[in-house]
Amino acid sequence: KQEVTQIPAALSVPEGENLVLNCSFTDSAIYNLQWFRQDPGKGLTSLLLIQSSQREQTSGRLNASLDKSSGRSTLYIAASQPGDSATYLCAGVGGSEKLVFGKGTKLTVNP
Amino acid sequence: NAGVTQTPKFQVLKTGQSMTLQCAQDMNHNSMYWYRQDPGMGLRLIYYSASEGTTDKGEVPNGYNVSRLNKREFSLRLESAAPSQTSVYFCASSEAGGQGQPQHFGDGTRLSIL
Repeated sequence: KQEVTQIPAALSVPEGENLVLNCSFTDSAIYNLQWFRQDPGKGLTSLLLIQSSQREQTSGRLNASLDKSSGRSTLYIAASQPGDSATYLCAGVGGSEKLVFGKGTKLTVNP
Repeated sequence: NAGVTQTPKFQVLKTGQSMTLQCAQDMNHNSMYWYRQDPGMGLRLIYYSASEGTTDKGEVPNGYNVSRLNKREFSLRLESAAPSQTSVYFCASSEAGGQGQPQHFGDGTRLSIL
């Protein structure tokens, strides 16, 4: 059974800092991994999706990587801004073809 | 730019009451999903529908039923609400099930059972 873990649960950084959010998964037979952003009281917004055949995806200041052999994915945010403050969730799709979510990392970027 | 629309946004029920949560998507997606989000538990899949006319159980289906009314609409019904079903419910859709397709989420229904 796929399990997804995100550490730390919360992270606070000053504006302008580059940062990395971590996601680990137990089943290396993963089809893809998706990173989401969730603002308070809102739904999830898809940020990046990495297929199992890919190693990374980039969108603007965001870069997500996938290492199936180590069971890890990272989300790199460059030059963080207060508007990046949100909870970031990763989710993996394995053999069941269903998304399994981590519990998220709550990011606060301080002006 | 509607995407995935959920109604209602908020609801308070008494234990034992029934209710249907509505979800509609305008992206012509084949697959639709219902999740619940609870503090400390993350998002958990309740039911999903890989295509019109099919539904299947997820991780936490007990106490719920679903109907895939047509390609656009996927409803979630609580027949006899219990306090343990107090949660935020999210509907999502994707072009095809699971592999390779991003899921798009609605803004959620916040449900309290007294």
